[in-house]
Amino acid sequence: AQSVSQHNHHVILSEAASLELGCNYSYGGTVNLFWYVQYPGQHLQLLLKYFSGDPLVKGIKGFEAEFIKSKFSFNLRKPSVQWSDTAEYFCAVFNTNAGKSTFGDGTTLTVKP
Amino acid sequence: NAGVTQTPKFQVLKTGQSMTLQCAQDMNHEYMSWYRQDPGMGLRLIHYSVGAGITDQGEVPNGYNVSRSTTEDFPLRLLSAAPSQTSVYFCASVSLIGNTEAFFGQGTRLTVV
Repeated sequence: AQSVSQHNHHVILSEAASLELGCNYSYGGTVNLFWYVQYPGQHLQLLLKYFSGDPLVKGIKGFEAEFIKSKFSFNLRKPSVQWSDTAEYFCAVFNTNAGKSTFGDGTTLTVKP
Repeated sequence: NAGVTQTPKFQVLKTGQSMTLQCAQDMNHEYMSWYRQDPGMGLRLIHYSVGAGITDQGEVPNGYNVSRSTTEDFPLRLLSAAPSQTSVYFCASVSLIGNTEAFFGQGTRLTVV
């Protein structure tokens, strides 16, 4: 069974600090990987995705993630966070054979102004 | 997020009542899913579909039914509501054809009293 592990449950940063959120997955087949953001009281929005090609993918709002196949990782990064980045972040792996996604438990990011 | 339309946004039910949460997408996405989101438990998959006429159970299917008679619609039915079904429900659609896309609906906040 596939699983997704997000190492940090709650991260607190000051504005302009750099961010890296860890995500590891366990699945041996072809993967499509996603990072979603959920602002308080809102639905999930897609930040970025990886399905093939360049393992460094860039998403919206200055976020990027690197797929490292040998480590089964897909860590999310941002060089300089803003107060408006305060939200919950979810990593997900989409199993193309089964047709379903598995989500990590989420990481709550709090950015102090 | 106009691609996935989810209704209603809010609903209060009495224990034992039944209702249907609607989900529609107009992007011709092949994959659709229903999740519930509860504090501290992340997103849990209820049911999913890989195409019209095909559905399967996710992690927490008990008490819910789904159908996928068309590509566009994926309604979630609560057969006999219970307080344990108080949650926020999200519908999602994914397409891997061409440029991978993934969208979530706006969510339904359901309270069962």
